[in-house]
Amino acid sequence: AQRVTQPEKLLSVFKGAPVELKCNYSYSGSPELFWYVQYSRQRLQLLLRHISRESIKGFTADLNKGETSFHLKKPFAQEEDSAMYYCALLPRGGANSKLTFGKGITLSVRP
Amino acid sequence: EPEVTQTPSHQVTQMGQEVILRCVPISNHLYFYWYRQILGQKVEFLVSFYNNEISEKSEIFDDQFSVERPDGSNFTLKIRSTKLEDSAMYFCASSEGASGQANSPLHFGNGTRLTVT
Repeated sequence: AQRVTQPEKLLSVFKGAPVELKCNYSYSGSPELFWYVQYSRQRLQLLLRHISRESIKGFTADLNKGETSFHLKKPFAQEEDSAMYYCALLPRGGANSKLTFGKGITLSVRP
Repeated sequence: EPEVTQTPSHQVTQMGQEVILRCVPISNHLYFYWYRQILGQKVEFLVSFYNNEISEKSEIFDDQFSVERPDGSNFTLKIRSTKLEDSAMYFCASSEGASGQANSPLHFGNGTRLTVT
């Protein structure tokens, strides 16, 4: 069975500080990893996915198969980054119904 | 940009009552889903729906739950006899295709907060 672990519930940083939101996964096959974000009073939305290798809003995430991790990073946090962040895993080629979420982490960026 | 819309945003009901949560998926999407999130816990898959039938459901989705697409636009989740433990945020989602790969990501609604008293 697949599992996604986000070990921290809350990360609080000052504006301009680096951010790393941790995500570890457990899956025997080849996974696809995603980060979803939920801003206050807004919908859950896709932030980025590892296959795209893109940087969205200054965030990047690299899939490390050796460490089974997909940590989300940003070098300089902004106040508007404050939100709930969820890591999610999908078996490669799998249906959306197999998408497994972590418990999420609240990022709070203080001025 | 088209969005998934859910109504109501908050529903309060008494234990044992029936509730219907409503969703309007994005119009050209073919796959529909319900997820739920109990306070403090992870987002969990409930059910997926395609071509007017359930394509997959989790163990959470027992006989108390049902889904329906009564017309061309709405997608509903019904809980027949609510229990206290059904209190959660319920998210509707839709996708163009079945896969979560680049061409068929999930689009979520804002959620309905269900409170069972």
